[in-house]
Amino acid sequence: AQSVAQPEDQVNVAEGNPLTVKCTYSVSGNPYLFWYVQYPNRGLQFLLKYITGDNLVKGSYGFEAEFNKSQTSFHLKKPSALVSDSALYFCAVKNRDDKIIFGKGTRLHILP
Amino acid sequence: SAVISQKPSRDICQRGTSLTIQCQVDSQVTMMFWYRQQPGQSLTLIATANQGSEATYESGFVIDKFPISRPNLTFSTLTVSNMSPEDSSIYLCSVETGSSYEQYFGPGTRLTVT
Repeated sequence: AQSVAQPEDQVNVAEGNPLTVKCTYSVSGNPYLFWYVQYPNRGLQFLLKYITGDNLVKGSYGFEAEFNKSQTSFHLKKPSALVSDSALYFCAVKNRDDKIIFGKGTRLHILP
Repeated sequence: SAVISQKPSRDICQRGTSLTIQCQVDSQVTMMFWYRQQPGQSLTLIATANQGSEATYESGFVIDKFPISRPNLTFSTLTVSNMSPEDSSIYLCSVETGSSYEQYFGPGTRLTVT
């Protein structure tokens, strides 16, 4: 069965510092991995995805994520955090023939 | 990508009544999904709605409670029937476009049942 884990309910980072939001997954077959962001009172917005190819994928708003097959991880990163990055972040996983599974979410607070 | 709109954006309803939520997409899509989300929590898939076939419901969700229509490739409705306070939640429509696998979400409908 597919599953995705976001071990941190909340991450606090000072503005200008690098940020990491962690995600690990379990899926049979080749994983398709995604990050979504939800700003207050908004729907989810797609940030980036890994399907195949280069393990480092770049997405919107300067975010990137690294697919690590041996550690079954897909951590979200950004070199320099902005206050406007404060939001709820969801990692998601699926394989080709199954539905997408979302993690429980990590609330990111960027401190001015 | 896809641009998705939902109506209504929010509503307050009385126990025992029904509410129909509309989802409109700016392009033709095969797969549409309906989710429920408690504020600040993860998403729970209610059902998958493909045009031309019956919706497929997830465990814990039944057609009598959450009937879904999918009359064409750009539109779907979800009805929350015989509502109780436990149905208070945010309901999200989403679509998966082509072979890209990512989903795009509507802004959500915030439902409060009193």
